[in-house]
Amino acid sequence: AAGVIQSPRHLIKEKRETATLKCYPIPRHDTVYWYQQGPGQDPQFLISFYEKMQSDKGSIPDRFSAQQFSDYHSELNMSSLELGDSALYFCASSLGSVNEQFFGPGTRLTVL
Amino acid sequence: EDKVVQSPLSLVVHEGDTVTLNCSYEVTNFRSLLWYKQEKKAPTFLFMLTSSGIEKKSGRLSSILDKKELFSILNITATQTGDSAIYLCAVDTGNQFYFGTGTSLTVIP
Repeated sequence: AAGVIQSPRHLIKEKRETATLKCYPIPRHDTVYWYQQGPGQDPQFLISFYEKMQSDKGSIPDRFSAQQFSDYHSELNMSSLELGDSALYFCASSLGSVNEQFFGPGTRLTVL
Repeated sequence: EDKVVQSPLSLVVHEGDTVTLNCSYEVTNFRSLLWYKQEKKAPTFLFMLTSSGIEKKSGRLSSILDKKELFSILNITATQTGDSAIYLCAVDTGNQFYFGTGTSLTVIP
């Protein structure tokens, strides 16, 4: 069965650069969630989209933006990267906002 | 194909019961196994296991890893209604995380 796809798997950037992370939800899933997990920390909810509209906003920095496209994939854009942005970024998808979330494999971002 | 399988998919118990959640895995390069509890939004980290046979414990929760048989269990004793959640298991291969589909636990008063 198809799962959530994230790309890239690994990304290394320098401070002040920009990065774009992509998430492709499970087919027919209409809701996408983004999480950031720092080393040894709980995942932090960043933002979610339902039917291409932002549905909820968590601790997403102003330097980050995200959107969900017509094919339901989502992109997380990160600008002016800081060392503290180094983390695992998970995307999850669900059918509707009340159903179980399925997690992607994550993107490991390292900011040097 | 790398995969993580959790069982049962769903569990309903009464307060005070003890539950055991299972996570089995097949991956080509094992680094660690992680357990999370997800109630509303973001999952909460519970345990990270890297070595076989060493039990990790936090209050009423405990977990152990068997790297020979490729599985882990999460035990919750004296369950409370606040334990109701989805429990996720994930395996870190260094290249990516593989998540199981989760076990939905409901604790009835």
